[in-house]
Amino acid sequence: GAVVSQHPSWVICKSGTSVKIECRSLDFQATTMFWYRQFPKQSLMLMATSNEGSKATYEQGVEKDKFLINHASLTLSTLTVTSAHPEDSSFYICSARDRKGTYEQYFGPGTRLTVT
Amino acid sequence: EDQVTQSPEALRLQEGESSSLNCSYTVSGLRGLFWYRQDPGKGPEFLFTLYSAGEEKEKERLKATLTKKESFLHITAPKPEDSATYLCAVQGKNDKIIFGKGTRLHILP
Repeated sequence: GAVVSQHPSWVICKSGTSVKIECRSLDFQATTMFWYRQFPKQSLMLMATSNEGSKATYEQGVEKDKFLINHASLTLSTLTVTSAHPEDSSFYICSARDRKGTYEQYFGPGTRLTVT
Repeated sequence: EDQVTQSPEALRLQEGESSSLNCSYTVSGLRGLFWYRQDPGKGPEFLFTLYSAGEEKEKERLKATLTKKESFLHITAPKPEDSATYLCAVQGKNDKIIFGKGTRLHILP
């Protein structure tokens, strides 16, 4: 149980284009999903928290107009990196909290984004 | 400010050589302390949640313990497949989860 998927697992895009990453909870409903960014040999940095049906809450320093988050249903959240630049290249990981559970977050496998 | 510090940064052990990883934390209103395992290029895999000082949890060769200031992840007789980065995280009353930088564990056969 508590499986979270992400799609795509990796993507290469050209500078200036936009990329959408999907995060799905497969066997549970998630009222809250989280988006993290991770650089090599660094820990996870929380970018934003999204609640189903409401606007995402962004962490300080994260541009909300650049990283668009939509939590359209209890099983799906999307992150769109708009006008991507090489410095946006990173490993993006989502997590979800079971609405019936306690405080554990279950993580997706991550998406490797490379902007050329 | 909530903070998590993990030590050591990296640890190399021989197969069968038991050891412990440390996670020191400061948090306002602890709701939970979490241990995750992360393999290269993958998302973190949930291992344990500890809620209060004195609590212990076990899973195969891993045992997690918690005090008011730190948590230990004890690994007993590790195998090469236990090699990974182990992440500690805490959640306080502000509901945010703060991660440590992790301990890279390498078990030599």
